[in-house]
Amino acid sequence: KQEVTQIPAALSVPEGENLVLNCSFTDSAIYNLQWFRQDPGKGLTSLLLIQSSQREQTSGRLNASLDKSSGRSTLYIAASQPGDSATYLCAVSTSGTYKYIFGTGTRLKVLA
Amino acid sequence: DTEVTQTPKHLVMGMTNKKSLKCEQHMGHRAMYWYKQKAKKPPELMFVYSYEKLSINESVPSRFSPECPNSSLLNLHLHALQPEDSALYLCASSQGAGGGEQYFGPGTRLTVT
Repeated sequence: KQEVTQIPAALSVPEGENLVLNCSFTDSAIYNLQWFRQDPGKGLTSLLLIQSSQREQTSGRLNASLDKSSGRSTLYIAASQPGDSATYLCAVSTSGTYKYIFGTGTRLKVLA
Repeated sequence: DTEVTQTPKHLVMGMTNKKSLKCEQHMGHRAMYWYKQKAKKPPELMFVYSYEKLSINESVPSRFSPECPNSSLLNLHLHALQPEDSALYLCASSQGAGGGEQYFGPGTRLTVT
């Protein structure tokens, strides 16, 4: 059974810092890995999708990497801003299914 | 247009009521999902429709009844809910098989009294 965990559970940093969020999964037979952000009480916003054949994806200040063999993905946020404050979730899907398993999330607070 | 819409935004219902949640997408996606999310927890998958057919039911109680009238619409019919069913209900869609990129709606905040 696929299990997805995220470390740290919560993170508070001053504005301008570069930071790394971690996502670990137990079954390396994944199809996609997707990173989301969620503001309190809101829906999920897709940030980056990494397919299993890819090693990384970049969008603006965000860079996500994937290492299937070690069961890990990282989300790198450059030059953090207060507007980045949110909960960040990773989710993995297995090949041939429509089933996404979500990680436990990292609550990020960027202080002005 | 990468938008998934959900109505209503908020819903308060008694345990004997019948209500429905609605989700709509116009991206031509063929897979649609219902998730339940409790406070400070990740979303939990409830149902998946693929090409308008129910493909996954995560052992959800029968008081939740999904319906996919067409490829753009997804409903969740609610009946005889319990207070512990209070949560944020999220709808999502993706292009096709294998869990492609998912797009989420804003959710419906449900309170069962």
